Amino acid sequence: AQKVTQAQTEISVVEKEDVTLDCVYETRDTTYYLFWYKQPPSGELVFLIRRNSFDEQNEISGRYSWNFQKSTSSFNFTITASQVVDSAVYFCALSEETDRGSTLGRLYFGRGTQLTVWP
Amino acid sequence: DSGVTQTPKHLITATGQRVTLRCSPRSGDLSVYWYQQSLDQGLQFLIQYYNGEERAKGNILERFSAQQFPDLHSELNLSSLELGDSALYFCASSAADVLGTQYFGPGTRLLVL
Repeated sequence: AQKVTQAQTEISVVEKEDVTLDCVYETRDTTYYLFWYKQPPSGELVFLIRRNSFDEQNEISGRYSWNFQKSTSSFNFTITASQVVDSAVYFCALSEETDRGSTLGRLYFGRGTQLTVWP
Repeated sequence: DSGVTQTPKHLITATGQRVTLRCSPRSGDLSVYWYQQSLDQGLQFLIQYYNGEERAKGNILERFSAQQFPDLHSELNLSSLELGDSALYFCASSAADVLGTQYFGPGTRLLVL
C-alpha cells in the first residue's frame, strides 16, 4: 500500500492563481516527519519543508503555506499568487520513527504532482 | 545548492556493463542515502549508510552495491546493467541517521543502451 498519496497527477493554473497540492499519508507511528520537495525541470530535488507529527501549526513561508491535519492524515501545500517559476514536480514524503529493521530512516515519496503555471 | 555533490551528471553505457556513481555529502553530515527515480517506479529508496556503516536497505537489487568511505563520501556500484536500470540516481545526506532532513544532490542520469 502507498504510504504517501498525491492524487493530483497534473495541475495547470494561470499566473497569480492560488493552487493547493494535496498529500495524504498513512502511518501507524506516533512520531514521524512529513516533507515537501520541489523538482524543477532541471531535475534536482529541492527541500521545502519538514514537519513533525507533534506540530500541527500551519506554516507560511512567503507565498508558500502548509496545512497539516492529523485527523485527516493530510499535509497540503498551497502556493499563493503562483508564478511561472513555480512550475515543477512537487513531492510529498514521509519518514517514520519506528525501527522496521531494514527501512529505518528512509523517505517514502508520493508519485508527485506536476504543476504548470502559464503566463 | 544543497551542498551535496554527485558525479558524473550523465552516464551512457551499454547493457552488461558496470558503473560507479559517486556522492559527497554536505559538510558534517554522517548519513548518505541513495534513491532511484524512474518513470514507472517513482522515487525509490535503495540504501542508507551512517558514518561508514550500512543502516537501512530498500529494494536494492543484488547487482547493486554501495559503500561509504572514511571521508564519508559514498559510491553506488551498478553491475550487469540492464535497460531497465536507466534512471536518475540521487544521493542525499543528513546529519542524523533517523528522521533528519535529507538534502539531495543534483543526481546522476544513467542511460543504458
